[in-house]
Order: sequence, then C-alpha cells, then structure tokens
Amino acid sequence: SAVISQKPSRDICQRGTSLTIQCQVDSQVTMMFWYRQQPGQSLTLIATANQGSEATYESGFVIDKFPISRPNLTFSTLTVSNMSPEDSSIYLCSVVPPTGLTYGYTFGSGTRLTVV
Amino acid sequence: GQQVMQIPQYQHVQEGEDFTTYCNSSTTLSNIQWYKQRPGGHPVFLIQLVKSGEVKKQKRLTFQFGEAKKNSSLHITATQTTDVGTYFCAASGSARQLTFGSGTQLTVLP
Repeated sequence: SAVISQKPSRDICQRGTSLTIQCQVDSQVTMMFWYRQQPGQSLTLIATANQGSEATYESGFVIDKFPISRPNLTFSTLTVSNMSPEDSSIYLCSVVPPTGLTYGYTFGSGTRLTVV
Repeated sequence: GQQVMQIPQYQHVQEGEDFTTYCNSSTTLSNIQWYKQRPGGHPVFLIQLVKSGEVKKQKRLTFQFGEAKKNSSLHITATQTTDVGTYFCAASGSARQLTFGSGTQLTVLP
C-alpha cells in the first residue's frame, strides 16, 4: 500500500492566521482526499483533490476557507484560512493506493490543529 | 449523499468478552470497509466486503455484509487490551470518496 508523509503533525495557531498542511505520497495516485475529524467525532470529507483540475468540495466546505493544491500525482496541500477556534480538529489526507480498493484507503498520520 | 449509521457509540467490555458493532444504510451499498483508529492514531484499513452475505475472518475478527447489502457488522471474539480503539465502517461513493459511520469506541477493561 501507499505510504503518506503528512506535515506538520500538530500545530497551535493564533486565530485569524492560516496553516498549510502537506501530504506527500510515495507513489503516484489519481485521487487524494482531505478529511476533518473533530475531537471524539467521525471523519468528514472536506474535498477531493484531483491533479490538473480544481478540487471538489463537499457541502459546508468552501474553497476560500480550505484552498487545496494538487500540483502533481504525489503531493497535495490543504490550507486552513483565517482560522477560528472552531477549526481546531485533526486534518487527514487519504489516498486510494495504486493497487486498488481491495487494500483500502491509506491515511496520513494526521495534523492535530489547535486554534487559540 | 449516502449515510451510514453505526451503533453503539461506545462499548466497554471486560477483557475476554466479545464485542460487536453494527452499521446500517438506507441505501444499497456497493461495498463496505472497516477501519480501526487507535487513540491518537489515524484510521487503518481492516477489510473490504463486496458481495451480498459475505463473511470474512481475520483471527478473532469476523466481518459480515448483509444479504441486502445495507448492513454490516464487525464481531471481535475474546477481546484483548490491544483491541482498544474506535472502529469505523465506511462506504465508498461514486467518486470513490469514503463516507464514514459515526464509529464505535471500544474500551477493554483488564
């Protein structure tokens, strides 16, 4: 399965600032997904990042707040903009490995964000 | 989009007892996946079920997919402290995105 390096692992940020989270995959993957997991909750899909086209956002998430870049098939970034304490969550990237769905989705180790 | 309900939300068991978590959908699912998330960790893939009535086993874990492909269960026999974590079911959508159930947080008391 694919191996994902996600950075930073955690951060404490001031409200009103922005944080960019990076995910680097060790193989080329067509689709990358960004999830948010609020404390004690399930995972909620933010957007799907496709190489060469704009990201597709889920209901309740907008590009101005969560801009995404996907410059190539192994890398993506998610920016959390103009942060407020409500943005405190774990953010995870995920990919379908080149071997296909049989082996499930692979997740990055997550970015634990605290906004103060 | 599709929704997947999962129960119970929490389960506390004594070590050695069995544990089961259930997922239900109002729509037919093409497949269902199960993930385990250890405290402080990220979701790790356990299994995928695709066929109606499918049953798969991994050591003490038994996974079932309902005949109508609308429900699934994960059963752990004789729990151990290493089983602690949150178990999620997840269904993949037409755009290959995953929709997660609400999760069952398992605590195993020694």
